[in-house]
This record gives sequence, structure tokens and C-alpha cells, in this order.
Amino acid sequence: GAGVSQSPSNKVTEKGKDVELRCDPISGHTALYWYRQSLGQGLEFLIYFQGNSAPDKSGLPSDRFSAERTGGSVSTLTIQRTQQEDSAVYLCASSLAEGQYFGPGTRLTVL
Amino acid sequence: AQSVTQPDIHITVSEGASLELRCNYSYGATPYLFWYVQSPGQGLQLLLKYFSGDTLVQGIKGFEAEFKRSQSSFNLRKPSVHWSDAAEYFCAVGPPRAAGNKLTFGGGTRVLVKP
Repeated sequence: GAGVSQSPSNKVTEKGKDVELRCDPISGHTALYWYRQSLGQGLEFLIYFQGNSAPDKSGLPSDRFSAERTGGSVSTLTIQRTQQEDSAVYLCASSLAEGQYFGPGTRLTVL
Repeated sequence: AQSVTQPDIHITVSEGASLELRCNYSYGATPYLFWYVQSPGQGLQLLLKYFSGDTLVQGIKGFEAEFKRSQSSFNLRKPSVHWSDAAEYFCAVGPPRAAGNKLTFGGGTRVLVKP
């Protein structure tokens, strides 16, 4: 079956611009997660959606980061006024019960 | 707070040799435990997981891991490494619930395979 997909695969932007990253989870998975992978910080949890519950935003590094999940499926991670330290690979994962399944990631480069 | 330690940043192993990757965790209770593999330019692939029961867990690609409560460890092993196993391996822990497992990852171990 289809796995988690993310778009774009690569994004280059200029400092100060806003970016949107998209995640399509595995069909039927109720939970969706965003993580960030960077050289200095490793893999960090950002935000988690579970069904219709309020999202767990405890990992978002600043108020420039936000995410939404529409219709319990597709999710968009938005970074406003990007900074160079936002450069990283942003990974999305989904799960139903046992284990999280990751997408290929979006590599964000902020110039 | 929970934490995961992978003591080895890099490991080089000859093709056909055995491989063991170490993982130690700190958690208030027995967490859910996972190993993921990341090939260059790829996302994370789930190798295996431990929730409860038999402490020796079999995964994909010939990998296995053993949970040792007394040592707070969940080491990954493979008896005979193939060149395609060259990748980065991440150990992760999550709270002991079925879903909603916000994962905490170790720093990763990069495995190089010599011909």
C-alpha cells in the first residue's frame, strides 16, 4: 500500500520568507507527527495530531512554526519568517497503533 | 525526562561479519522501544519494535534486538552484515500507550560496511 508522502522533497527559500510543507499520511492512520532532523540537534519531535483531539505542540521551537491537519488526513507545517537555523529535513510520520511510519522528508534550505 | 543514548557514533564492519548496535534509555517505566534505519537521502524505516512479552524481537532484513530491563538496554544485532546495511540506525523510545507515542530518538549510529 501507499506509504507516507511529503512534498516538496526539497525547498530552498530566502531568509524571511514563509514556507509550507505538506504531508499525506497512510490512509486510515489516526495519528500524525512532525519531526525535524538537523545536524546539530538530531531528530526532534515538533507536533503531534491524534484524531480530533487538540494537537500536542510541545515540540515547536518558536511561534513562527505552526501546523494544521485538515479532515483528519493531510497536514501542513508552516514556518513563517524563516531563519537560517530552520534549515533541516522535516519528517512526517503517521501511525494507527503500533509504530510510526515515516515519509521521505522535505529538505529545507534557508539562504 | 526520557532520553536515549547510542554510545557509538560510527561503526565500521566487514561484509559478512556480525553487527551489534548499542542503545540505552532512561525512562520512568518500561517504554515502547523501536529501531529505525535511514539510508542516505531516505526517510526512516521501522526495523522492529518492542512493546511487551518476549524480550528477543525479530525484525525485517534479518535484524533482531534484545530488551534487557536490568540494563535499560535494547541492542540491535545482525549475524551477517550485507553491503546494503550501510546506513544510519536510530533507537527510539515512546510512552507505553498504543498510539500517541511521541518518540524520543538517540543520536544515531552510522554503519559503514567494508567489502
